[in-house]
This record gives sequence, structure tokens and C-alpha cells, in this order.
Amino acid sequence: EAGVVQSPRYKIIEKKQPVAFWCNPISGHNTLYWYLQNLGQGPELLIRYENEEAVDDSQLPKDRFSAERLKGVDSTLKIQPAELGDSAVYLCASSLTSGTGWGNEQFFGPGTRLTVL
Amino acid sequence: GQNIDQPTEMTATEGAIVQINCTYQTSGFNGLFWYQQHAGEAPTFLSYNVLDGLEEKGRFSSFLSRSKGYSYLLLKELQMKDSASYLCAVRDRGSTLGRLYFGRGTQLTVWP
Repeated sequence: EAGVVQSPRYKIIEKKQPVAFWCNPISGHNTLYWYLQNLGQGPELLIRYENEEAVDDSQLPKDRFSAERLKGVDSTLKIQPAELGDSAVYLCASSLTSGTGWGNEQFFGPGTRLTVL
Repeated sequence: GQNIDQPTEMTATEGAIVQINCTYQTSGFNGLFWYQQHAGEAPTFLSYNVLDGLEEKGRFSSFLSRSKGYSYLLLKELQMKDSASYLCAVRDRGSTLGRLYFGRGTQLTVWP
């Protein structure tokens, strides 16, 4: 079974440029998450989708960040314009649902390492 | 929100046992996860505790005490490949049900 797929793996851009990241979750997983991870820190949630609905986006900086999951499968996270402080690893994860209980752990993709110059 | 604390770094030798502690303060608790993350790679799931006690899975075990806001991950028979960051994460019970709050991770180095 394929895991969570993300692309690109690495991206280098100049500040003020736009950038987009793509994620394809594990087949059958209804819940999709975007996290930001700074060096030496744990992942921090940016947004969570239940199918195509964003149900937890309170930590997404909406002035420059946007996300979509139009058909409830793959998702795109965009930054426009990028700032120096956006340099980080952007992780995508998926789970069967966001409910509690066993068997609902989150599976992470390899991430996109963004460098803003 | 959550306040999760774990040591920044630990070292141990091959074949030894190491215990990584995690303490948390939460407004609503609904489970604790441990993840392993090798440098430059994705976090991978290790264990899940929602009730008090010990969960054993091969060389790895995880313990939870909800009354103390405390968990530990126990790694036995350490191998070089266990060198990684170990992330403690608490799941929220409130309005953001399902949200995971991660600690900053404990970087474990295993020496030969």
C-alpha cells in the first residue's frame, strides 16, 4: 500500500514569490492534515480536512496561506507571498478519520523542505 | 491548548535500555502518541496510550499516567538504527477534537 505522497521534496524560492505544495493521502483516508515543522521542533498543525471540508484551520495564517482539497482526496497548500520566516518543512498526514480510538493514528508523508532566500 | 515537555537530547549505548519521559498539561486529554522521526524523514507511529498503564510492542513500550500528566517511552536492546528524534504528542478533547499537539522531540543518539 502506498504511503502519503508529497511533492516537491525540496523547494528554494526568493522571498515574495509564491509556492505550492501537493499531497496525496493514503487511499481511503478521509482526514488530511498539513503541518509545519521548524528545525528542532515538533510538527504544528496548520489545517485539517474532513473529506473536502476544512474543519480546523485556526492556526493557518490566512493572509498569505491557503489550502484546498476540492474532491476530498489530494490537497494543495499555497503560500503567497513567501517570507523568510516560512522556511521550514511542510508535512502532510492522513488518517482514516479524525475520531478517537485505536487504529486512527496519523500517517505522515516525507515533507517538503522549503527554503526562502 | 497543551503544554508538552520532553528532554531535548539523550544518549545511550547499543544494547542498553533508555527511557524518554514526557509530561503534559492539557485542557482536555484524549490520548497520547509517540512517533519516531529520523533526520530528513517523516514521523512514523510507534505507540498510542489512552488508558493508564503500559503498552508493549516488541522492543518498545509506552506508559501513561493520566493523573500525573506523564508518559514515557521505553526502548530496549538499543540498536544504532534507533538513533532518531522521538516525538510525544497529545490529542485534544475539546473543540479541536482530533488535533495533535507535539512536543519538540527528544534526539536520541545510540553509540556503538
